[in-house]
Amino acid sequence: EVQLVESGGGLVQPGGSLRLSCAASGFIFDDYTMYWVRQAPGKGLEWVSGISWNSGSTAYAGSVKGRFTISRDNAKNSLYLQMNSLRAEDTALYYCAKDQYCSPINCYRGFDYWGQGTLVTVSS
Amino acid sequence: QSALTQPASVSGSPGQSITISCTGTSSDVGGYNYVSWYQQHPGKAPKLMIYDVSYRPSGISNRFSGSKSGNTASLTISGLQAEDEADYYCSSYTSSSALVFGNGTKVTVL
Repeated sequence: EVQLVESGGGLVQPGGSLRLSCAASGFIFDDYTMYWVRQAPGKGLEWVSGISWNSGSTAYAGSVKGRFTISRDNAKNSLYLQMNSLRAEDTALYYCAKDQYCSPINCYRGFDYWGQGTLVTVSS
Repeated sequence: QSALTQPASVSGSPGQSITISCTGTSSDVGGYNYVSWYQQHPGKAPKLMIYDVSYRPSGISNRFSGSKSGNTASLTISGLQAEDEADYYCSSYTSSSALVFGNGTKVTVL
């Protein structure tokens, strides 16, 4: 059974940092592109970042570029999101998601599995 | 990258068909067949309903269908059922190797 379990969320002050983790199981982790998607309270989905199977390619939404860094450790079946210079508008539920088929970044076949999310709150 | 444009809400009676539009540009929806649709019930993670514009993942009812014309993709739900009441989001690959979601559509079953 495929499982994606996010952790690392919490309350952080504006300007602070946080590192999210996503533990994957039930599939061959290094066969797939992985992503982070967020959803602010009561709002829609927003794509945040993606990383290819071998970490060779990454992509970021304009709203987080230069502040967030996506990474993965295939030996640990884990995906990460380092978030720096956090702002109030980064407050959201952060989901980890797996692409259905793709391994490179220039491909998108839909997210067939999602975690339950980890909540990040940026507030003083 | 601006969000793809979806109607805020669509409603229909049980048994009817409804269509949700998703309008982008030639740099996203119009330029690639990498368009997906997601259903999200309150408090739940999104669920993939359609990928590659018109393909259904295993286990998804054939009441859900997708299509695309130019820069606009569409999701049609036929034989509307109470359990279809949810938020629906489209998404597309973009020319900058990024992804973009639509702003979401609330489907109400009357």
